[in-house]
Amino acid sequence: EAEVAQSPRYKITEKSQAVAFWCDPISGHATLYWYRQILGQGPELLVQFQDESVVDDSQLPKDRFSAERLKGVDSTLKIQPAELGDSAMYLCASSTYLEAGYTFGSGTRLTVV
Amino acid sequence: DAKTTQPPSMDCAEGRAANLPCNHSTISGNEYVYWYRQIHSQGPQYIIHGLKNNETNEMASLIITEDRKSSTLILPHATLRDTAVYYCIVRVGSYGGSQGNLIFGKGTKLSVKP
Repeated sequence: EAEVAQSPRYKITEKSQAVAFWCDPISGHATLYWYRQILGQGPELLVQFQDESVVDDSQLPKDRFSAERLKGVDSTLKIQPAELGDSAMYLCASSTYLEAGYTFGSGTRLTVV
Repeated sequence: DAKTTQPPSMDCAEGRAANLPCNHSTISGNEYVYWYRQIHSQGPQYIIHGLKNNETNEMASLIITEDRKSSTLILPHATLRDTAVYYCIVRVGSYGGSQGNLIFGKGTKLSVKP
């Protein structure tokens, strides 16, 4: 079964440092999403891409977060500088025009110290 | 904000049916009911979705009331591996470019006990 790949699986960084997460969606999935999940809460959408274009980034803290999907395939989410409150699970998901459900990756667990 | 209300937690005995309720009293005519679950330390997994008719697949059944203001996800024979957080989500559209985004609430933590 096809999967959404994310790396790294775990990341520990010091506050004020830069950190980046990578996502490789299922082949052929034009829509890609980044979610953030704080412990004990449901995932929160940060950004949605359709191919290489941003469709929705209204919840992305743009002063420190950036996301790109240059060739419309894999994607990178960056935080600079990281803050203690950014500690969370960062989830990537992808979908196609013809599918009802998203497929999520296993996520990157970020700890900012 | 999530447009659904779910109990924070439920228990179920292994082998018995798990019935997870969800209230969505403000659902619009073009919004579907989706269910996802999240096993500890994994990403959410799609289970099932529906508009107004009851739906069944290999994982679960979805029962939507006639007024569409509430629904129930049924796991017919719960196993220990069904222990997870279950999210009920209302979302515009089903297929195609008119889909709305998934907005998650806190879900219901289902514990299946031996």
